[in-house]
Amino acid sequence: EVQLVESGGGLVQPGASLKLSCVASGFTFSDYWMSWVRQTPGKTMEWIGDIKYDGSYTNYAPSLKNRFTISRDNAKSTLYLQMSNVRSEDTATYYCTRFGVSEDYWGQGVMVTVSS
Amino acid sequence: DIQMTQSPASLSASLEEIVTITCQASQDIGNWLAWYQQKPGKSPQLLIHSATSLADGIPSRFSGSRSGTQYSLKISRLQVEDTGIYYCLQRYSNPWTFGGGTKLELK
Repeated sequence: EVQLVESGGGLVQPGASLKLSCVASGFTFSDYWMSWVRQTPGKTMEWIGDIKYDGSYTNYAPSLKNRFTISRDNAKSTLYLQMSNVRSEDTATYYCTRFGVSEDYWGQGVMVTVSS
Repeated sequence: DIQMTQSPASLSASLEEIVTITCQASQDIGNWLAWYQQKPGKSPQLLIHSATSLADGIPSRFSGSRSGTQYSLKISRLQVEDTGIYYCLQRYSNPWTFGGGTKLELK
């Protein structure tokens, strides 16, 4: 069974950094592109970006490219999202996702609240 | 970026009613369009992929269609368990973009 489990969220002050993790199981992690998606409290969904199966290539939403970095450790079957200089508008639930042509897998999501 | 304009933003319908949600793409995205359902406190679930293909395990009352750059999700006979928020997602080009969502409630 495919499982994606995010962690690392919480309350963070504006301007700080935060690193989210997503541990994958139930499939060969190193065979798949992986993505991050976020959902604001107002329920707006935003694709953050993705990373190639070997970690050699990433894509980002242009508005987030300068502050967010996606990486992976295939030996640990773990996906990461490094967030820097966070702002109040980064308050959201962050999902780790494996998109496929005909099937998707989503984590349960992890909440990040940016507030002083 | 490709804009996905989803309508309506909210919808109240009766049991067994036919419900249609649409997404208008700002440019051609071919069939690279998916529909998701999200229930409170849960992650989104894929309903339709490739604009018209039903995902595994999804009831046949759900269907997707395309007319040019307009995409539609139809629920043929609304059931209680169909309430939630529905999103479209274009996966034609980066950045992938979601529609604004449609909140579907029972009347």
